[in-house]
Amino acid sequence: SYVLTQPPSVSVAPGQTASLTCGGHDIGSKSVHWYQQQPGQAPLLVVFDDNNRASGIPERFSGSNSGNTATLTISRVEAGDEADFYCAVWDGDTDQVVFGGGTKLTVL
Amino acid sequence: VQLVESGGSLVQPGGSLRLSCTASGLTLSRTWMSWVRQAPGKGLEWVANIGEDGSEKFYVDSVRGRFTISRDNAKNTMYLQMDSLRAEDTAFYFCARGKVTMLQWGQGTLVSVSS
Repeated sequence: SYVLTQPPSVSVAPGQTASLTCGGHDIGSKSVHWYQQQPGQAPLLVVFDDNNRASGIPERFSGSNSGNTATLTISRVEAGDEADFYCAVWDGDTDQVVFGGGTKLTVL
Repeated sequence: VQLVESGGSLVQPGGSLRLSCTASGLTLSRTWMSWVRQAPGKGLEWVANIGEDGSEKFYVDSVRGRFTISRDNAKNTMYLQMDSLRAEDTAFYFCARGKVTMLQWGQGTLVSVSS
């Protein structure tokens, strides 16, 4: 089955840029979606189809996808961005949605 | 626009439970719907999704044959029938609007499988 690999944690200072990666075999050929989940809350779609921001998501959030790595980039990080972030794809070989293990973003 | 899950509870291993997801301010018949679960302190795991008219259904390997996803568009409601429950099925179960691009989520309902 298809596997998505995310680093367990990323730390960044306020105002800096956070790069959250999602690795998978030839992930560049798939559409990648990113979800943010703050403690005690339901997930929230932030980026869909690699690089499209969902409604209401600040321009500071952007996505890219090529080769074996997709990346969610958060510019000018704010304290309120602290959350768990998950990438997800549709695996056409198995007809299943696959989530990455998630990355906890800590704002120092 | 709101999605509300219900039906979660404590159940013994081997038991059954049916979860519901009801939409308000949204017509479910026009969209794919999904169930996603999250064990306490763990990551997200997709469970199943269903097409607009219910003819297409997909499941994660670990629940195929035990869980059944369905929908009643007239009632604007989606269901997850869970049979032969195991301890590892313990999780918050979220319903979401969409197939992979999940635009909207409910707040979740807790299913706890324990003797």
